[in-house]
Amino acid sequence: AQSVTQLDSQVPVFEEAPVELRCNYSSSVSVYLFWYVQYPNQGLQLLLKYLSGSTLVKGINGFEAEFNKSQTSFHLRKPSVHISDTAEYFCAVSAGGNEKLTFGTGTRLTIIP
Amino acid sequence: GAVVSQHPSRVICKSGTSVKIECRSLDFQATTMFWYRQFPKQSLMLMATSNEGSKATYEQGVEKDKFLINHASLTLSTLTVTSAHPEDSSFYICSASKGSDGYTFGSGTRLTVV
Repeated sequence: AQSVTQLDSQVPVFEEAPVELRCNYSSSVSVYLFWYVQYPNQGLQLLLKYLSGSTLVKGINGFEAEFNKSQTSFHLRKPSVHISDTAEYFCAVSAGGNEKLTFGTGTRLTIIP
Repeated sequence: GAVVSQHPSRVICKSGTSVKIECRSLDFQATTMFWYRQFPKQSLMLMATSNEGSKATYEQGVEKDKFLINHASLTLSTLTVTSAHPEDSSFYICSASKGSDGYTFGSGTRLTVV
């Protein structure tokens, strides 16, 4: 079984400042890792994913994440945030292609003008 | 590519009635679809995994007779909330798997039972 921990439930950041949203996971098998963004009353949009290969993954909207196997982490970063980045961010893990996704509890990112 | 359409986006129903939510993969075949429930300001909780042509696999604690899932084709899965009650009010989201390409989510359905 897999689990995901997002330690920060809320992260306020000033506009144009950098941000890091933390995600740690646990699993007894190799995993796929994902970051999703959710805007109010909407579904989830994929930001980026790690399946294999390069541990630095670049996604949409200027986000990137680094897979660190030794620390079992997959932190999400953006060098300069915008007001439009205000949303809920979910880290998720699965054991394979058609396996279920296990989500973290989410981090609400609030951008302060 | 990889678009999942979920309908309706919002539904209000009377207590005791049933509501059907559809999830369609528009440009790919999804052998596996997932149904999630999300309470306000909380994460997504997996309700069931739906495989085309077979019975859904429900997570522990999810009433299979209340939440009927049908995956009749490679592009359509439905969730029917039977005899809905106010406590069933929630945001329901489906997703479809494209194998190692990952998962695509529908836009969600806000169910309000009055």
